[in-house]
Parts: sequence; C-alpha cells; structure tokens
Amino acid sequence: AQSVAQPEDQVNVAEGNPLTVKCTYSVSGNPYLFWYVQYPNRGLQFLLKYITGDNLVKGSYGFEAEFNKSQTSFHLKKPSALVSDSALYFCAVRETSGNTPLVFGKGTRLSVIA
Amino acid sequence: DAGVIQSPRHEVTEMGQEVTLRCKPISGHDYLFWYRQTMMRGLELLIYFNNNVPIDDSGMPEDRFSAKMPNASFSTLKIQPSEPRDSAVYFCASSPTRYNEQFFGPGTRLTVL
Repeated sequence: AQSVAQPEDQVNVAEGNPLTVKCTYSVSGNPYLFWYVQYPNRGLQFLLKYITGDNLVKGSYGFEAEFNKSQTSFHLKKPSALVSDSALYFCAVRETSGNTPLVFGKGTRLSVIA
Repeated sequence: DAGVIQSPRHEVTEMGQEVTLRCKPISGHDYLFWYRQTMMRGLELLIYFNNNVPIDDSGMPEDRFSAKMPNASFSTLKIQPSEPRDSAVYFCASSPTRYNEQFFGPGTRLTVL
C-alpha cells in the first residue's frame, strides 16, 4: 500500500529566509510525487510533480522539490519565502503501476512572518 | 478553459434533508474524483470515475452517500439523509490521465444543522 507522511503540522519562517516543507513516502514500486497548495477558501492548486528524470523539479511561484529515492523523500523548498506563500501544502504520491489513485498527506501549514 | 466547476459553493441544510452537489470536470479529462475535507480527517478520497465508470468507491462513508456520472461533463454527489457530521468541504477534481496531476474545483462548503 502507498502512503505519504508530512511530519510537521506547522512550519514558521521569516520572510526572505529559505523554507522547507518535508514529505516522505512509501510505495512498493516507483513513485509519482506531487505538491499542491491550498489558500484559504480555495481548492488545491498544483505546484509541481516528479515523474521521472532529473531529481530536482522546479514548479510554480519559485518552488522546487528534490526527489531522494534512498531517503524516500520529496521535500518542497523555496530559496526566499514571501508572506504570500502562507498557505496549506499537501504532498501526494501514487505508484507508477496499477490503477491506484493519489494518496495525499495531511498537509503542512506554512506561515511566513514579515 | 474555465477549470473544474462546482455548485453550489455553499449549502446549508437541516439534518435529514437530501443534498446534491454538482461537478463539471475539465473537458477532455477522463478521470473525476470526489474528496471531502475536514479539520479532523484532512482530505479524504470518496470515489473516483474513469470514463464515467466508478472505479473505486471504498472511501464513501456509508450508504447515505452516492455518486453518479451520467456523462463526461457532469457528476453528482448525493447525501440522503444528511447528518451534522457530513458538514465539510467537498471537492471535485479531474485529470486527463491517471498519470497527470489533478485539477481541483473551488469546493462546496456543506453545513448540516
């Protein structure tokens, strides 16, 4: 069975500082990995994905994530945080084989403080 | 493209009433998903369709919940009878293939009194 863990419920960072939102996963084969962001009273918005190829994936709004197979991680990063990045972030995983849908983590709330 | 469209955006009803939530996926997307989001349980997958056929409904909480997809451009999620514990935000999402990211609608905030 596939699963994803976001070990931090809340991450606080000062504006201008780098940010990291952690995600680890478990699948029986190779993973497809995704990050989504949710702003208040909105649906989830796709940020970036890892399917294959380069382990460093760049996405929307200056975010990037690094796929680390040995550590089964896919941490979301941004070099310089903005107050407007404050939101709820979800990591999701699915196996490359079979017909299983995406499994979402519980979400990490990011607060960027001015 | 207008994206995934959901209606209504807000629904307030009384316990025991029937509630119908509606979704129009992005044109050309073969997969449609219904999710429920609450503070306690986070984001839960209720059911998903492929080419209008339900594939996995194991997330549907009980028989009071039912979902249909009569054609490629419309799906409904029905709760009958509704209960206060059904209060949540319900999201519909679609994707072109099972490999792609999902595109989420704005959600329907349901309050059952």
